[in-house]
Amino acid sequence: EIVLTQSPGTLSLSPGERASLSCRASQSISSRYLAWYQQKPGQAPRLLIYGASSRATGIPDRFSGSGSGTDFILTISRLEPEDFAVYSCQHYGSSPRYTFGQGTKLEIK
Amino acid sequence: QVQLVESGGGLVKPGGSLRLSCAASGFTFSDDYMSWIRQAPGKGLEWLSYISGSGTTIFYTDSLKGRFSISRDNTKNSLYLQMNSLRAEDTAVYYCARDRCSNGVCYHDYWGQGTLVTVSS
Repeated sequence: EIVLTQSPGTLSLSPGERASLSCRASQSISSRYLAWYQQKPGQAPRLLIYGASSRATGIPDRFSGSGSGTDFILTISRLEPEDFAVYSCQHYGSSPRYTFGQGTKLEIK
Repeated sequence: QVQLVESGGGLVKPGGSLRLSCAASGFTFSDDYMSWIRQAPGKGLEWLSYISGSGTTIFYTDSLKGRFSISRDNTKNSLYLQMNSLRAEDTAVYYCARDRCSNGVCYHDYWGQGTLVTVSS
């Protein structure tokens, strides 16, 4: 079973700054199977990135994903107030079908 | 537009049962895999189960140990999760989500707003 470990647990930044969120897999995975979601309090998650680097429909280009093997990064180039949320990575695999990381909370400094 | 609306959550005693529903609209329901995902209070997301568009392919996460059952009714554009032998640790918000699958890769492109299940005596 693939385990996804996200770091840091909490990231405190100011609007306008650049955010880099890490997702590390317990073994090498294909980047095709890595997705990122954003979740705001009281709301359902929203798909941001799939295939490690492809933005979902309607996602601003300040969001980008990268990585390969075991290390993946979600980058927000310049933080907007609405970007402060919890971000989770996800792997699509065999058993279990989907695995989520524990999430990184991006909070306003 | 794609809409997913869950219902059926509530307070249930340990050992009890509950059936969650997810009403889908805005897309051809029978074309898509659908998943149930939950989130315990203050915790991360946990994928539970998915079902193919035809209902013939079903997967569960191992931790459910046969207590939950996923199904769908394509004539009603509805997805279901039958939950039996409920435990306190099943307390969570339960989401249904559409699985967008292409070239052997799947991810959840639309989610419902969730329904809260509380297991407590």
